[in-house]
Amino acid sequence: QQPVQSPQAVILREGEDAVINCSSSKALYSVHWYRQKHGEAPVFLMILLKGGEQKGHDKISASFNEKKQQSSLYLTASQLSYSGTYFCGTGTGGYQKVTFGIGTKLQVIP
Amino acid sequence: DGGITQSPKYLFRKEGQNVTLSCEQNLNHDAMYWYRQDPGQGLRLIYYSQIVNDFQKGDIAEGYSVSREKKESFPLTVTSAQKNPTAFYLCASSTTWGSGNTIYFGEGSWLTVV
Repeated sequence: QQPVQSPQAVILREGEDAVINCSSSKALYSVHWYRQKHGEAPVFLMILLKGGEQKGHDKISASFNEKKQQSSLYLTASQLSYSGTYFCGTGTGGYQKVTFGIGTKLQVIP
Repeated sequence: DGGITQSPKYLFRKEGQNVTLSCEQNLNHDAMYWYRQDPGQGLRLIYYSQIVNDFQKGDIAEGYSVSREKKESFPLTVTSAQKNPTAFYLCASSTTWGSGNTIYFGEGSWLTVV
């Protein structure tokens, strides 16, 4: 079943922070986060595995709440280059496929 | 450099024609995937292959066919049975099958029916 992302779209000014949420109705084994510019390949950001971990690099980080079956992506001090559509993908088991949400469109303006 | 190469980038198909999208990877990955992307619908899985000489239908396999004769190659044929083939197609791969593995994507192919 497809994970639900929120918000569907968000506009930020440079330097502002954003949070994108990804929720599932099923217990999760993994959560994947990608950013995609229009007409380009999705770029891998990070993967979080069962265990309730948090990951981050530079100003982008994510958390995985296993009990709530959700993950959040945190974008800090946004830059123009952060613009794009953010997808989460979820897996319900180690030998299951990854199912992607419909994406959150993020636009950073000067 | 290691990566996934898709070709062509843009393809136009006349109604009733079959077309084949090429996907080659030099990452030595066992698993390969084909996704379709339409506006507002995210990425939908068409076919996947866990290992060479094996492939499985994904969520929207009708009107598509694949082969996996070599580890590095996973071509997708869009047949005339696919009624609405205009979309952005993404090939991907991962080290092995399973949701604990990072999926890497190619640059994509735009298919338009004219």
